[in-house]
Amino acid sequence: EAQLVESGGGLVQPGGSLRLSCVASGFDFSNYWMTWVRQIPGKGLEWVANVRRDGGEVHYLDSVKGRFTVSKDNAKNSVYLQMDSLRAEDSAVYFCARGRASFEYWGQGTLVTVSS
Amino acid sequence: DIVMTQSPLSLPVTPGEPASISCNSSQSLLHRNGYNYLDWYLQKPGQSPQLLIYLGSDRASGVPDRFSGSGSGTDFTLKISRVEAEDVGVYYCMQALQTGALSFGGGTKVEIK
Repeated sequence: EAQLVESGGGLVQPGGSLRLSCVASGFDFSNYWMTWVRQIPGKGLEWVANVRRDGGEVHYLDSVKGRFTVSKDNAKNSVYLQMDSLRAEDSAVYFCARGRASFEYWGQGTLVTVSS
Repeated sequence: DIVMTQSPLSLPVTPGEPASISCNSSQSLLHRNGYNYLDWYLQKPGQSPQLLIYLGSDRASGVPDRFSGSGSGTDFTLKISRVEAEDVGVYYCMQALQTGALSFGGGTKVEIK
């Protein structure tokens, strides 16, 4: 059974940085795109970024372009989201999900709070 | 970018009764291959979202057959033939056509009357 486990969330000041990690198991990680989705607690879902199987193609939500970087390490079965220049509006639970769409597997999420 | 709009915002339901949620996209989700690139998800309280329907009408693995998806182009519907107590949560549609800029509907909260 596929499993995704996120980590790296926490409290950070505006303008600060965080690196989220998502470790995958139970499937051939190198064969899948991976996606990050976020959710402000009590609000809706928002797609953030995705990365191709080999890490060679990435896409971002407009509001995070230039600040967030998604990457994939197939040797470590991991996908990362480097978040720089964080803003209060980036505060959310961040989920990783398997695939480019039709997400059958999601992690449990990691909470990012941007506040002074 | 494609904008997804769901209705209603809130849906009180009676167990055993049917329920229906609508989803509209600002652009057609019908690909030239004949598939509609529309997913439905359910997020139960305190849980991560779970995939219910993909390609507009295909049930994901393990999803009960009381859930069905229909529609084409810009108008889609999720139907629950007989609501059960475990179906409460927030339902989201998501366009899967533009995979470089995915977008979700605002969500429909289903609760038991």
